[in-house]
Amino acid sequence: EAGVVQSPRYKIIEKKQPVAFWCNPISGHNTLYWYLQNLGQGPELLIRYENEEAVDDSQLPKDRFSAERLKGVDSTLKIQPAELGDSAVYLCASSGSGETQYFGPGTRLLVL
Amino acid sequence: QQQVKQSPQSLIVQKGGISIINCAYENTAFDYFPWYQQFPGKGPALLIAIRPDVSEKKEGRFTISFNKSAKQFSLHIMDSQPGDSATYFCAASRRGSTLGRLYFGRGTQLTVWP
Repeated sequence: EAGVVQSPRYKIIEKKQPVAFWCNPISGHNTLYWYLQNLGQGPELLIRYENEEAVDDSQLPKDRFSAERLKGVDSTLKIQPAELGDSAVYLCASSGSGETQYFGPGTRLLVL
Repeated sequence: QQQVKQSPQSLIVQKGGISIINCAYENTAFDYFPWYQQFPGKGPALLIAIRPDVSEKKEGRFTISFNKSAKQFSLHIMDSQPGDSATYFCAASRRGSTLGRLYFGRGTQLTVWP
């Protein structure tokens, strides 16, 4: 069974540029999460989806971050414009009927 | 405000020794306490998890000890191996309106010397 797939794995952009990350969850998993992981820190939730609905986006900086999960499967997280402080690893996770969250490998973003 | 506090930040253990990582929480509504293992360049992977209705859970060389009254839980790795070298995160979550939100500790970088 394929795990959570994320792309790209690495992204280097200049500040003020837009960037987008893509996530394909494990087949059949209705719940999808985006986490931010700063260097030397634990992941922090940005947004959680139940199917197509964003049910917890209180930690998402909505002035520059946006996310969507069309058709309740794949999801895209976007930053526009990116700032130097956005350099981090962006993790996607999914879960099914249980509580276990399965994480993807992450996208490492470097903003110059 | 850090919902889950984890210590130590780093840990060096000799092969065959016992690794112990501690976590503490404040929110008594938390009812699910997983430990995740993360290797460099990889996403976190669930190692073992416990609920507050039991005081201990063991899976192979990994044991979670849970102290509800002290609001603390710990991970014990018996017979530590070089392959266990990774970063370990404790986490906590609760049912209800925020079901599924995991609050992670800052992580412990474990190095096991051969």
